[in-house]
Amino acid sequence: AQSVSQHNHHVILSEAASLELGCNYSYGGTVNLFWYVQYPGQHLQLLLKYFSGDPLVKGIKGFEAEFIKSKFSFNLRKPSVQWSDTAEYFCAVNAKGGYNKLIFGAGTRLAVHP
Amino acid sequence: NAGVTQTPKFQVLKTGQSMTLQCAQDMNHEYMSWYRQDPGMGLRLIHYSVGAGITDQGEVPNGYNVSRSTTEDFPLRLLSAAPSQTSVYFCASSGQGNTEAFFGQGTRLTVV
Repeated sequence: AQSVSQHNHHVILSEAASLELGCNYSYGGTVNLFWYVQYPGQHLQLLLKYFSGDPLVKGIKGFEAEFIKSKFSFNLRKPSVQWSDTAEYFCAVNAKGGYNKLIFGAGTRLAVHP
Repeated sequence: NAGVTQTPKFQVLKTGQSMTLQCAQDMNHEYMSWYRQDPGMGLRLIHYSVGAGITDQGEVPNGYNVSRSTTEDFPLRLLSAAPSQTSVYFCASSGQGNTEAFFGQGTRLTVV
Protein backbone atom coordinates (compact mmCIF):
# COMPACT_ATOMS: atom_id res chain seq x y z
CA ALA A 1 0.00 0.00 0.00
CA GLN A 2 1.11 3.54 -0.69
CA SER A 3 2.17 5.68 2.24
CA VAL A 4 3.77 9.06 2.78
CA SER A 5 5.94 9.98 5.74
CA GLN A 6 6.73 13.52 6.78
CA HIS A 7 9.56 13.62 9.27
CA ASN A 8 8.77 16.78 11.18
CA HIS A 9 5.39 17.47 12.68
CA HIS A 10 6.23 20.92 14.02
CA VAL A 11 8.96 23.30 12.90
CA ILE A 12 9.69 26.70 14.40
CA LEU A 13 11.97 29.12 12.58
CA SER A 14 12.96 32.75 12.68
CA GLU A 15 12.47 34.91 9.61
CA ALA A 16 15.30 34.59 7.05
CA ALA A 17 16.19 31.08 8.24
CA SER A 18 16.39 28.30 5.69
CA LEU A 19 13.74 25.61 5.55
CA GLU A 20 13.85 21.96 4.60
CA LEU A 21 10.87 19.67 5.19
CA GLY A 22 11.37 15.98 4.65
CA CYS A 23 9.01 13.70 2.72
CA ASN A 24 9.46 10.03 1.93
CA TYR A 25 6.97 7.81 0.16
CA SER A 26 6.44 4.11 -0.19
CA TYR A 27 5.08 2.80 -3.47
CA GLY A 28 6.11 0.06 -5.87
CA GLY A 29 5.42 1.93 -9.10
CA THR A 30 5.92 5.34 -10.66
CA VAL A 31 4.39 8.28 -8.88
CA ASN A 32 3.50 11.92 -9.22
CA LEU A 33 4.54 14.05 -6.25
CA PHE A 34 3.01 17.16 -4.75
CA TRP A 35 3.45 19.66 -1.96
CA TYR A 36 0.33 21.46 -0.78
CA VAL A 37 0.15 24.33 1.71
CA GLN A 38 -2.72 25.20 4.03
CA TYR A 39 -2.65 28.69 5.52
CA PRO A 40 -4.57 29.14 8.79
CA GLY A 41 -8.30 28.76 8.20
CA GLN A 42 -7.93 28.16 4.49
CA HIS A 43 -8.13 25.28 2.05
CA LEU A 44 -5.21 23.44 0.49
CA GLN A 45 -3.31 25.14 -2.29
CA LEU A 46 -0.73 23.60 -4.58
CA LEU A 47 2.85 24.73 -3.92
CA LEU A 48 4.57 22.60 -6.53
CA LYS A 49 4.35 19.29 -8.35
CA TYR A 50 6.61 16.77 -10.02
CA PHE A 51 5.42 14.60 -12.88
CA SER A 52 8.61 13.95 -14.88
CA GLY A 53 11.79 15.58 -16.17
CA ASP A 54 14.11 17.76 -14.09
CA PRO A 55 13.98 16.39 -10.54
CA LEU A 56 14.46 19.88 -9.10
CA VAL A 57 11.08 21.54 -9.20
CA LYS A 58 10.39 25.19 -8.52
CA GLY A 59 7.05 26.29 -7.15
CA ILE A 60 5.34 29.43 -5.99
CA LYS A 61 6.61 31.84 -3.34
CA GLY A 62 10.24 30.76 -3.69
CA PHE A 63 9.71 27.13 -2.72
CA GLU A 64 11.47 24.26 -4.46
CA ALA A 65 11.62 20.50 -4.05
CA GLU A 66 13.98 17.80 -5.23
CA PHE A 67 12.84 14.34 -6.24
CA ILE A 68 15.46 11.71 -5.40
CA LYS A 69 14.16 8.48 -6.84
CA SER A 70 16.74 6.25 -5.17
CA LYS A 71 15.73 7.58 -1.76
CA PHE A 72 11.98 7.77 -2.46
CA SER A 73 12.16 11.34 -1.24
CA PHE A 74 10.68 14.68 -2.24
CA ASN A 75 11.97 17.25 0.24
CA LEU A 76 10.69 20.81 0.24
CA ARG A 77 13.13 23.72 0.59
CA LYS A 78 13.12 27.48 0.84
CA PRO A 79 16.34 29.49 1.33
CA SER A 80 14.82 32.25 3.45
CA VAL A 81 11.41 31.96 5.12
CA GLN A 82 9.05 34.81 5.88
CA TRP A 83 6.43 35.25 8.58
CA SER A 84 3.79 34.77 5.88
CA ASP A 85 5.04 31.20 5.32
CA THR A 86 3.47 30.18 8.62
CA ALA A 87 1.18 27.35 7.54
CA GLU A 88 0.79 23.59 7.43
CA TYR A 89 2.56 21.76 4.62
CA PHE A 90 1.46 18.45 3.16
CA CYS A 91 3.37 16.10 0.92
CA ALA A 92 1.21 13.88 -1.33
CA VAL A 93 1.65 11.22 -3.99
CA ASN A 94 -0.50 9.45 -6.53
CA ALA A 95 0.15 6.62 -8.92
CA LYS A 96 1.23 7.88 -12.34
CA GLY A 97 -1.34 7.23 -15.01
CA GLY A 98 -3.99 6.12 -12.56
CA TYR A 99 -6.94 7.88 -11.09
CA ASN A 100 -6.00 10.86 -9.00
CA LYS A 101 -6.17 9.18 -5.58
CA LEU A 102 -3.87 11.35 -3.54
CA ILE A 103 -2.19 9.85 -0.49
CA PHE A 104 -1.16 12.52 2.00
CA GLY A 105 1.45 12.69 4.70
CA ALA A 106 0.46 13.75 8.20
CA GLY A 107 1.57 17.32 7.58
CA THR A 108 4.21 19.64 9.03
CA ARG A 109 3.09 22.70 10.92
CA LEU A 110 5.55 25.56 10.33
CA ALA A 111 5.65 28.62 12.57
CA VAL A 112 7.87 31.51 11.50
CA HIS A 113 8.64 34.15 14.11
CA PRO A 114 9.48 37.74 13.09
CA ASN B 1 -13.84 31.10 -11.54
CA ALA B 2 -15.72 29.31 -8.78
CA GLY B 3 -13.58 26.15 -8.89
CA VAL B 4 -14.70 23.74 -6.17
CA THR B 5 -17.54 24.95 -3.95
CA GLN B 6 -18.47 23.29 -0.68
CA THR B 7 -21.46 23.99 1.52
CA PRO B 8 -21.97 24.49 4.39
CA LYS B 9 -18.76 25.93 5.83
CA PHE B 10 -19.70 25.01 9.39
CA GLN B 11 -22.18 22.51 10.83
CA VAL B 12 -23.03 21.18 14.27
CA LEU B 13 -24.96 17.91 14.46
CA LYS B 14 -26.33 15.83 17.27
CA THR B 15 -25.36 12.18 17.43
CA GLY B 16 -27.64 10.15 15.20
CA GLN B 17 -28.65 13.00 12.91
CA SER B 18 -28.10 12.75 9.18
CA MET B 19 -26.90 15.40 6.79
CA THR B 20 -25.42 15.94 3.35
CA LEU B 21 -22.28 17.91 2.58
CA GLN B 22 -22.49 19.47 -0.84
CA CYS B 23 -19.66 19.74 -3.36
CA ALA B 24 -19.81 21.22 -6.85
CA GLN B 25 -17.13 21.94 -9.42
CA ASP B 26 -17.34 23.94 -12.63
CA MET B 27 -14.13 22.74 -14.31
CA ASN B 28 -15.66 19.71 -16.05
CA HIS B 29 -13.35 17.44 -14.04
CA GLU B 30 -14.04 13.73 -14.19
CA TYR B 31 -12.41 12.86 -10.90
CA MET B 32 -13.87 14.01 -7.56
CA SER B 33 -13.08 12.93 -4.04
CA TRP B 34 -13.84 13.55 -0.39
CA TYR B 35 -11.20 13.74 2.34
CA ARG B 36 -11.36 14.26 6.05
CA GLN B 37 -8.63 16.14 7.88
CA ASP B 38 -7.82 15.31 11.47
CA PRO B 39 -4.94 16.69 13.56
CA GLY B 40 -1.72 14.75 13.09
CA MET B 41 -3.24 12.48 10.45
CA GLY B 42 -3.15 14.58 7.30
CA LEU B 43 -5.98 14.07 4.84
CA ARG B 44 -7.56 10.66 4.46
CA LEU B 45 -9.61 9.63 1.45
CA ILE B 46 -13.25 8.77 2.23
CA HIS B 47 -14.81 8.13 -1.19
CA TYR B 48 -13.99 9.04 -4.73
CA SER B 49 -15.60 9.07 -8.16
CA VAL B 50 -14.03 8.72 -11.59
CA GLY B 51 -17.11 9.93 -13.45
CA ALA B 52 -20.87 10.27 -13.30
CA GLY B 53 -22.42 7.07 -11.98
CA ILE B 54 -19.10 5.62 -10.76
CA THR B 55 -17.97 5.78 -7.14
CA ASP B 56 -15.63 3.76 -4.95
CA GLN B 57 -14.42 3.60 -1.38
CA GLY B 58 -11.28 5.21 -0.11
CA GLU B 59 -9.32 4.62 3.07
CA VAL B 60 -12.03 5.54 5.62
CA PRO B 61 -15.49 5.00 4.03
CA ASN B 62 -17.47 3.69 7.01
CA GLY B 63 -20.40 5.89 8.00
CA TYR B 64 -20.44 7.82 4.72
CA ASN B 65 -22.32 7.42 1.44
CA VAL B 66 -21.78 9.13 -1.89
CA SER B 67 -23.38 9.28 -5.30
CA ARG B 68 -22.44 11.01 -8.54
CA SER B 69 -25.42 11.68 -10.76
CA THR B 70 -23.76 14.54 -12.66
CA THR B 71 -20.19 15.51 -13.53
CA GLU B 72 -20.51 18.68 -11.47
CA ASP B 73 -21.85 17.41 -8.13
CA PHE B 74 -20.52 14.93 -5.59
CA PRO B 75 -22.45 15.05 -2.28
CA LEU B 76 -21.27 13.25 0.85
CA ARG B 77 -23.97 11.84 3.15
CA LEU B 78 -23.63 11.04 6.81
CA LEU B 79 -26.42 8.61 7.59
CA SER B 80 -26.19 8.64 11.40
CA ALA B 81 -23.60 11.08 12.70
CA ALA B 82 -21.18 9.99 15.41
CA PRO B 83 -18.71 12.07 17.47
CA SER B 84 -15.87 10.26 15.66
CA GLN B 85 -16.99 12.03 12.50
CA THR B 86 -16.10 15.42 13.97
CA SER B 87 -13.56 16.66 11.44
CA VAL B 88 -12.87 19.06 8.61
CA TYR B 89 -14.06 17.72 5.28
CA PHE B 90 -12.55 18.68 1.95
CA CYS B 91 -13.85 17.98 -1.51
CA ALA B 92 -11.39 17.90 -4.41
CA SER B 93 -11.59 17.55 -8.16
CA SER B 94 -9.10 16.91 -10.93
CA GLY B 95 -8.93 16.02 -14.57
CA GLN B 96 -7.71 12.74 -15.98
CA GLY B 97 -4.05 11.86 -16.17
CA ASN B 98 -1.20 13.69 -14.51
CA THR B 99 -2.95 16.72 -13.11
CA GLU B 100 -3.20 18.46 -9.77
CA ALA B 101 -6.22 18.31 -7.50
CA PHE B 102 -8.20 21.45 -6.67
CA PHE B 103 -9.72 21.68 -3.22
CA GLY B 104 -12.82 23.32 -1.84
CA GLN B 105 -12.80 25.61 1.20
CA GLY B 106 -13.74 22.83 3.58
CA THR B 107 -16.63 22.05 5.92
CA ARG B 108 -15.96 22.04 9.63
CA LEU B 109 -18.32 19.47 11.17
CA THR B 110 -18.86 18.98 14.88
CA VAL B 111 -20.92 16.08 16.18
CA VAL B 112 -22.04 16.40 19.79
